[in-house]
Amino acid sequence: DTEVTQTPKHLVMGMTNKKSLKCEQHMGHRAMYWYKQKAKKPPELMFVYSYEKLSINESVPSRFSPECPNSSLLNLHLHALQPEDSALYLCASGQGYEQYFGPGTRLTVT
Amino acid sequence: TQLLEQSPQFLSIQEGENLTVYCNSSSVFSSLQWYRQEPGEGPVLLVTVVTGGEVKKLKRLTFQFGDARKDSSLHITAAQPGDTGLYLCAGDSGTYKYIFGTGTRLKVLA
Repeated sequence: DTEVTQTPKHLVMGMTNKKSLKCEQHMGHRAMYWYKQKAKKPPELMFVYSYEKLSINESVPSRFSPECPNSSLLNLHLHALQPEDSALYLCASGQGYEQYFGPGTRLTVT
Repeated sequence: TQLLEQSPQFLSIQEGENLTVYCNSSSVFSSLQWYRQEPGEGPVLLVTVVTGGEVKKLKRLTFQFGDARKDSSLHITAAQPGDTGLYLCAGDSGTYKYIFGTGTRLKVLA
């Protein structure tokens, strides 16, 4: 089973809202990732957690706040986003040389 | 900054034709992955190559990692409409940091 689940599938939020994206995997992978993908562009790495500790933050604005409550779960807390933050947000988990992606959350900021 | 350039950017071919997609960089990667992505979905891992010169086959798809581990190619034999999608390469520079290529959009016409 190589399934990574993400909720919600779609999210519309105003610039003053606070919302969270959730990601779950049960493959025992020790690395978990958040990526942002704009239309017709490749995914861009945002954060990497390794063994539940933040190991990479690609200079992401503080309005995005990641959290890894345990080895199976990864959250992305959103606050005071801008319309240009509208994108597909992808979660992935990995072990060794492989990554497995979830279906993504389509976020629209109004 | 590590970059992965893919060529061509777009490819529209008839069913039954062969094609090759290239992924090039000036940097050395520990491993390289190939993904296919459908619109609005997460990328799906096709293959990982690790050793310089390595060749892997997945049905009609053949993947090769360059001897110097800076480039890779994906060859599709007798393309089918089901092969339509966005093909992405991703290089691993080590410590879980993946860089995605610029992407190749393939359309196979019946």
